[in-house]
Amino acid sequence: GESVGLHLPTLSVQEGDNSIINCAYSNSASDYFIWYKQESGKGPQFIIDIRSNMDKRQGQRVTVLLNKTVKHLSLQIAATQPGDSAVYFCAEGHSGGGADGLTFGKGTHLIIQP
Amino acid sequence: EAQVTQNPRYLITVTGKKLTVTCSQNMNHEYMSWYRQDPGLGLRQIYYSMNVEVTDKGDVPEGYKVSRKEKRNFPLILESPSPNQTSLYFCASSSRRTSSYEQYFGPGTRLTVT
Repeated sequence: GESVGLHLPTLSVQEGDNSIINCAYSNSASDYFIWYKQESGKGPQFIIDIRSNMDKRQGQRVTVLLNKTVKHLSLQIAATQPGDSAVYFCAEGHSGGGADGLTFGKGTHLIIQP
Repeated sequence: EAQVTQNPRYLITVTGKKLTVTCSQNMNHEYMSWYRQDPGLGLRQIYYSMNVEVTDKGDVPEGYKVSRKEKRNFPLILESPSPNQTSLYFCASSSRRTSSYEQYFGPGTRLTVT
């Protein structure tokens, strides 16, 4: 896989490789972070979240890493598949959940090369 | 099937002609939100509702109205649409009980105002 900069509009990876999508957040008070996936023509879909008292959280083929020191969040996708092609958004918010105060990043378009 | 529905999916209208985009969820969620998505700007929250008869402004509320008379419905109203409201709109809902940001998004409504 490859590690890219803080934010790139597009990331191209080979099928089967690992993907790493990065995100920098701005609000030191944010204590809740989320990754969403948006496929073409569809609404965003929740992937995984992490609270600020954690550094790492794993799901199925995905891992989210949180570095509060540099306010950096990353999403790692293992063994990237064609179905992973989508735009990925990070979002930050405050504890307690709810409908307000969720700030989305600009998004990274993940392109899978055969 | 648990889902958020929006209608219409596509709408072309003229400046000043009032319109309503409907949103309905069947998951008994307390929280509902409206977002607009624009290239280069990501997702921005327009209005949100924490429960029936409780609504509040998000980041970009100007030119929009909402109402929450029933738990399942959260319509977005544009009293006098203008071309700068041409955008892709998403409705989302989430549960107060989970204390997370696992928002469920609708499929989107693409609005063009000429």
